[in-house]
Amino acid sequence: EPEVTQTPSHQVTQMGQEVILRCVPISNHLYFYWYRQILGQKVEFLVSFYNNEISEKSEIFDDQFSVERPDGSNFTLKIRSTKLEDSAMYFCASSEAWQGLNTEAFFGQGTRLTVV
Amino acid sequence: SQQGEEDPQALSIQEGENATMNCSYKTSINNLQWYRQNSGRGLVHLILIRSNEREKHSGRLRVTLDTSKKSSSLLITASRAADTASYFCALPSGTYKYIFGTGTRLKVLA
Repeated sequence: EPEVTQTPSHQVTQMGQEVILRCVPISNHLYFYWYRQILGQKVEFLVSFYNNEISEKSEIFDDQFSVERPDGSNFTLKIRSTKLEDSAMYFCASSEAWQGLNTEAFFGQGTRLTVV
Repeated sequence: SQQGEEDPQALSIQEGENATMNCSYKTSINNLQWYRQNSGRGLVHLILIRSNEREKHSGRLRVTLDTSKKSSSLLITASRAADTASYFCALPSGTYKYIFGTGTRLKVLA
């Protein structure tokens, strides 16, 4: 069964360093998302991406964050200068459609980011 | 803006019992999704119910949707220890965005 894959599963980085979290969405999906979950807290929306551009972003997704779909299969989240409070589990998701049929959003297993 | 609230926040039951958790939301939706998350792991898609559906089944899962009350419920029948997890509802909001509820932590005791 197709699945969303994320790498790495765990990343430790020093404060101020740049990190890139990678995702391979399901191949026929057109809508892509990043979410984060700080330990013990709720799942928070970061950004959605469709037709090679950001569709919507939350207030969390400030200038330190960027997303890219560099080669038609990967979908990346970059954090330019990490802060301690960026430590969280980051989830990538994708869906085939937004309206009508096949709107289920499937999530990857997540990347646990630890900023030290 | 859209919000999802789940209750109870935590639920502890014996194996074999049924577990029911509820999700209430603020603004109209065209679908609602339920997810399971085992501790520290990824979000597993369980079921999607559309606004024109009142009930949907998948194995031991039964989901209902009452659009007039803006609420949905997830029933797990004959629960097993392996059902121990957090369960979330997710609601579409805005442009290509899902909002997650606060979650219900289910513990099934063997």
